[in-house]
Amino acid sequence: SAVISQKPSRDICQRGTSLTIQCQVDSQVTMMFWYRQQPGQSLTLIATANQGSEATYESGFVIDKFPISRPNLTFSTLTVSNMSPEDSSIYLCSVLDFGRVGNEKLFFGSGTQLSVL
Amino acid sequence: KQEVTQIPAALSVPEGENLVLNCSFTDSAIYNLQWFRQDPGKGLTSLLLIQSSQREQTSGRLNASLDKSSGRSTLYIAASQPGDSATYLCAVHGSSNTGKLIFGQGTTLQVKP
Repeated sequence: SAVISQKPSRDICQRGTSLTIQCQVDSQVTMMFWYRQQPGQSLTLIATANQGSEATYESGFVIDKFPISRPNLTFSTLTVSNMSPEDSSIYLCSVLDFGRVGNEKLFFGSGTQLSVL
Repeated sequence: KQEVTQIPAALSVPEGENLVLNCSFTDSAIYNLQWFRQDPGKGLTSLLLIQSSQREQTSGRLNASLDKSSGRSTLYIAASQPGDSATYLCAVHGSSNTGKLIFGQGTTLQVKP
C-alpha cells in the first residue's frame, strides 16, 4: 500500500489568511483526492486532484476557495483560501489503490488539523 | 442519493468483550465497502474491504460481513482490548473509477481496562 505524508499535521490560522497543505505519496498513483472532516462530522470529498489539469470539485466546493495543484503523480497541494472559523476541520489526502478488480481501496494520509481563529 | 448510517454512535465496553458495530446504506448498488479506524485528530487506517460479491472478510480479531440486498454491514471485534479504542467508520464505494466514498458518522468505541 502507498505511504502518504501530509504537511503540516496541524496549524492554527487567523481569519482571512490562506493555508496550503501538501500531500506526498511514495509511489506514482493515478488518482488522488482531498477530503474534509468537520468537527463531529464524517468525511466529505472535496475534489479529485487531476495530474496536469484542473481538479474536479464536488457539489458545494469551488476552486476559488479550495485551489488544488497536482504537478505530478506523487504530489498534490490543497489551499484553503480566505479562511473563516467554519473552515476549521481535518483535511485528508487520499489515494486509490487499484489492486485487483473489485478490491480498489482508498488509503488516507494522517491528516491536517486546521483551526481558524 | 446514497446515505450511510452507523449505529451506535458511541459504545463503551469492558476489556475482553466481543462486540458488533453496525452500518447500513440506502442504495444496494455498491462496488465495495471499507471499514476504517480513526484515532482522535488523526487520519484513517483501512481495516477491511469487502467486495460487493463477498459476504465477509476477516483480519485477525476483526470480521466484517456484508448483506448487500438488505443494505447492511457489521464489524465484529473479538476479545476487545483498550488499544481498540477509536472511532470506526464505514464507507461505501459506488464505482471502481472514482475516489468518492460515502461515509457513515462513525461509532466511537471505548474499551475499558
